[in-house]
Amino acid sequence: QKEVEQDPGPLSVPEGAIVSLNCTYSNSAFQYFMWYRQYSRKGPELLMYTYSSGNKEDGRFTAQVDKSSKYISLFIRDSQPSDSATYLCATGGYQKVTFGIGTKLQVIP
Amino acid sequence: GAVVSQHPSRVICKSGTSVKIECRSLDFQATTMFWYRQFPKQSLMLMATSNEGSKATYEQGVEKDKFLINHASLTLSTLTVTSAHPEDSSFYICSAGTGRDTIYFGEGSWLTVV
Repeated sequence: QKEVEQDPGPLSVPEGAIVSLNCTYSNSAFQYFMWYRQYSRKGPELLMYTYSSGNKEDGRFTAQVDKSSKYISLFIRDSQPSDSATYLCATGGYQKVTFGIGTKLQVIP
Repeated sequence: GAVVSQHPSRVICKSGTSVKIECRSLDFQATTMFWYRQFPKQSLMLMATSNEGSKATYEQGVEKDKFLINHASLTLSTLTVTSAHPEDSSFYICSAGTGRDTIYFGEGSWLTVV
């Protein structure tokens, strides 16, 4: 079993839709959760990070962590074509981070 | 915010030659930097952890003699792919931590070995 499972997609949504991206992880010791956005042929860009269960909101983005079910989510409200990218979840800590495979998102105008 | 710069962004080299990739933290000191490799449609895979002033720690399956890592200062780590072969062609990405458990990535380097 992979430490972090993520559906690679692709996921296509119309502009303005609410996007839900999800990951599951297996190691209950993971304490740190992150979402990265990666445009084609670019390095990942940190979007959100959180340490605890619950929701964390930043503009149109909301990160949600449920440690009891080892489930992490990223919600994007009012999605825009510029949100089209691959979104990677990551868990772990400072010394070692484990990434999901990434979900490719396409927002259609 | 914190910025990590990586150079070159693209490099093409002949099989059998060596190529060096630099990773710099521009506005913070990074005692630890990380090197990842990403093959198409695959996740980022940690290759090694680079510690300033000491030897790098390599992940299982990564050849330390092939992927030489030097972390000579608190702002610079280099990855040298020695005797490169076409199967080494990949996207190499470095990252550095700010000490607040947040990791920032460089833009990545596309290596093509012909």
